[in-house]
Amino acid sequence: AQKVTQAQTEISVVEKEDVTLDCVYETRDTTYYLFWYKQPPSGELVFLIRRNSFDEQNEISGRYSWNFQKSTSSFNFTITASQVVDSAVYFCALSEAWGSGNTGKLIFGQGTTLQVKP
Amino acid sequence: ETGVTQTPRHLVMGMTNKKSLKCEQHLGHNAMYWYKQSAKKPLELMFVYSLEERVENNSVPSRFSPECPNSSHLFLHLHTLQPEDSALYLCASSQRGGNEQFFGPGTRLTVL
Repeated sequence: AQKVTQAQTEISVVEKEDVTLDCVYETRDTTYYLFWYKQPPSGELVFLIRRNSFDEQNEISGRYSWNFQKSTSSFNFTITASQVVDSAVYFCALSEAWGSGNTGKLIFGQGTTLQVKP
Repeated sequence: ETGVTQTPRHLVMGMTNKKSLKCEQHLGHNAMYWYKQSAKKPLELMFVYSLEERVENNSVPSRFSPECPNSSHLFLHLHTLQPEDSALYLCASSQRGGNEQFFGPGTRLTVL
């Protein structure tokens, strides 16, 4: 069965600190996709990144970076020099490839609430 | 309009009412989804439509009835709901094939 675990329920940092959000996943499939979404107080889920299971390259986008390690089934997200606007709930998610009964649905972790204080 | 839109944004209904939630995507996608986000549970999938055909029903009670008349529109018809159905209902769309899903702003539903 697929599962995503975000062990950190809430994190509070002071502006300009670096923060890492952890994500551990379980799946039996060899082809799968990992995602991070941001949910600000407005409620809308904002797509941040997608990785497929064959691409373990780490990625950096501005202050955001992602570390995908298949050996530990982890897909961690780091925000460098955090800002107040980064305050939100962050969700890690997993989906299987379409076909063979799979429908591309997202399996979400419980979410990590990040509070960045000025 | 761009992206994924949902109406209404807020809805309050009694347990005997019938209402519908509407979702529209302007992204040319061929799959659409309903998710439920409640205070006590993580985001959970309700339904998946692919090419206007329902391909997954995640054990959702029959008081929730989805409809996908075309690839751009998705509805969730509600009737005889319970207070525990109060939640944020999110619609999403994507291209099939493991691509990212784009979400609408959600409908905040309160059942009295």
